[in-house]
Amino acid sequence: EIVLTQSPGTLSLSPGERATLSCRASQSVSSSYLAWFQQKPGQAPRLLVYGVSNRAPGIPDRFSGSGSGTDFTLTISGLEPEDFAVYYCQQYDSSPETFGQGTKVEIK
Amino acid sequence: EVQLVESGGGLVQPGGSLRLSCEVSGFTFYTYWMHWVRQVPGKGPVWVSRINGAGTSTTYADSVKGRFTISRDNAKNTLYLQMNSLSAEDTAVYYCARRRYLRSETDYWGQGTLVTVSS
Repeated sequence: EIVLTQSPGTLSLSPGERATLSCRASQSVSSSYLAWFQQKPGQAPRLLVYGVSNRAPGIPDRFSGSGSGTDFTLTISGLEPEDFAVYYCQQYDSSPETFGQGTKVEIK
Repeated sequence: EVQLVESGGGLVQPGGSLRLSCEVSGFTFYTYWMHWVRQVPGKGPVWVSRINGAGTSTTYADSVKGRFTISRDNAKNTLYLQMNSLSAEDTAVYYCARRRYLRSETDYWGQGTLVTVSS
């Protein structure tokens, strides 16, 4: 099973600042099969990025994904008030698919 | 509009059973793989099970194998999860989610249904 470790656990930033979230895999993940989700309290996860760097329909271009192998990054170029939430990475390269434990982006 | 609506969650005693349903609309149900994913509040999601469009191929996480059964009724646009021999470790919010292919992104999730296993 591929273990995904996200860092930091919590990111305290102000609106307008840049957020950089990390996801490290215990073994190599094919670039086609790494996704990022946003989750707000009481809501289901929402797909942001798939295939490492492809934004899902309707996702603003301030969200971007990058990386390869075992190291992946989600960058939010300028935080909007609605971006404060928990973010999860997911690999669906090998079974069982797995998720990271999450990074909470909170208002500083 | 794509919609996935789960139901069937609730409080159940250890050792008991529960059947979850996920009614979908807004897309051609039988052409999609469907998944169940669960999440303990405050923790990351955990994949539980998947089924192909025809209902002929199923896969389970080791933690639920032999206890849970995924199925679908394409005529009713509904996905199911039969859960038996429940324990406290199964307490979570259960989401259904769709994927176009076996290894494609999970693009839509339901709102979730809470399952609590407690005496």
